[in-house]
Amino acid sequence: DSGVTQTPKHLITATGQRVTLRCSPRSGDLSVYWYQQSLDQGLQFLIQYYNGEERAKGNILERFSAQQFPDLHSELNLSSLELGDSALYFCASSVSGIPLGPQNEQFFGPGTRLTVL
Amino acid sequence: DAKTTQPPSMDCAEGRAANLPCNHSTISGNEYVYWYRQIHSQGPQYIIHGLKNNETNEMASLIITEDRKSSTLILPHATLRDTAVYYCIVRPPISSGSARQLTFGSGTQLTVLP
Repeated sequence: DSGVTQTPKHLITATGQRVTLRCSPRSGDLSVYWYQQSLDQGLQFLIQYYNGEERAKGNILERFSAQQFPDLHSELNLSSLELGDSALYFCASSVSGIPLGPQNEQFFGPGTRLTVL
Repeated sequence: DAKTTQPPSMDCAEGRAANLPCNHSTISGNEYVYWYRQIHSQGPQYIIHGLKNNETNEMASLIITEDRKSSTLILPHATLRDTAVYYCIVRPPISSGSARQLTFGSGTQLTVLP
C-alpha cells in the first residue's frame, strides 16, 4: 500500500459525458501527478500540482482539467469523453523540496479504470 | 530527458538472478538512472536509482557502467511476484521546491518462470 488513494476504482460512462477522478496523496506530500495509461500510448504524464498550484503540464487534452485543493487532494476532470479516453488513470504523490532519496520518490495510487462506451 | 532502450521482454527462472539491461547513451553528467516496475495494471513502484556508483537496497542492485551509457538492474533471487514491466528512466536531479514528472518508455516485461 503506497498511501495514495484514488476513487473510484472503476468508472463506466458514455461518450460525451463528464467524469471526475479523485486522488488523496500520502500524508505530507505536496506534489500530485496525474498519468494516463492506455494500451496504445503507454504511461503518459498529464499534469502536476505542487501545493495547490499547477507546476508542469504534459500531454493533457484541453477537454481535461485538474486542480489541487487546500487539503492537497486533487481531482482530474475529463469532459466530452471519447472512446479513446478509455484508460487507466494513475495519481502519484511525492514530498518535493528535499534532497533525493527513496522517500521522495513518486508513490502511485492503485488507479482508476475508465471505460467509455 | 535522455532516451533509454530496453529489451521488450525477458524470462528468468524462479530463484535465479534477473539481470535487466538498459542503454542510455545520451545521458548527461547530472542525470540519474531510475528504475520503476509495474505489476499488472497496478500503480508503478519505485525500485532504485543511482548516479555513478553502484547502488543496492532491499529490493535490487543497480550497476552503472563507468561511462554511464548503460546500466543493469539486478534482482538477486527472482520470485514469481517479481513478474512485472520494468522501466528504466533517466532524469535530471530534482530541484528544490519541485519534483519532475516521470517519462516512461516501453519497459521490459520480465516473466519469472516456476
